[in-house]
Amino acid sequence: QSALTQPRSVSGSPGQSVTISCTGTSSDVGGYNYVSWYQQHPGKAPKLMIFDVSKRPSGVPDRFSGSKSGNTASLTISGLQAEDDSDYYCCSYAAGYVVFGGGTKLTVL
Amino acid sequence: EVQLLESGGGLVQPGGSLRLSCAASGFTFSSYAMSWVRQAPGKGLEWVSGISGSGGSTYYADSVKGRFTISRDNSENTVYLQMNSLRGEDTAVYYCAKNPGSMRYFDYWGQGTLVTVSS
Repeated sequence: QSALTQPRSVSGSPGQSVTISCTGTSSDVGGYNYVSWYQQHPGKAPKLMIFDVSKRPSGVPDRFSGSKSGNTASLTISGLQAEDDSDYYCCSYAAGYVVFGGGTKLTVL
Repeated sequence: EVQLLESGGGLVQPGGSLRLSCAASGFTFSSYAMSWVRQAPGKGLEWVSGISGSGGSTYYADSVKGRFTISRDNSENTVYLQMNSLRGEDTAVYYCAKNPGSMRYFDYWGQGTLVTVSS
């Protein structure tokens, strides 16, 4: 049950695109199409942004997209906006447990 | 509207016990798995435990296995986390989260309850 690996921080200017990677193993990310992504603002509960690798819940802007290749999943945010400045966590289901990434701080410059 | 309301957090001494509750509303509670996820101060999210809709299957992170017990009362729309033999590293905000049919993602979250383990 080792944590998934995410970059500690990424940044981008308004209007630009950024991609956050999430690396696991064949036992979690690579073994299931059950990667999800969460946005968390300081002092708030996490919010689901992407599930099942690339699906968006109702209400999440289509600027947010997800993908996966092998043991690495990615979250791409296009057309960055000030309100995207937040922490982002990836998550993967595995056999009988769930594992999160360490989190990435996105700074909108 | 889905609502999840945690309670039961507080200050407890190392080695002590605490029971967290999460009251759910706005959905057919018994049809969905539920989970607990925690976040230590200034740290990332950590999945703690999950339970199936019927309560017949339970799952635990290695870090809490043998010390924490998850359960649910579908007549009361409530999920519980019994925490025993608490350690300093269990200090965290504990979130209750709703799963879809399985634990493959968390679609709704409560606001969390703070557990502090300290003498």
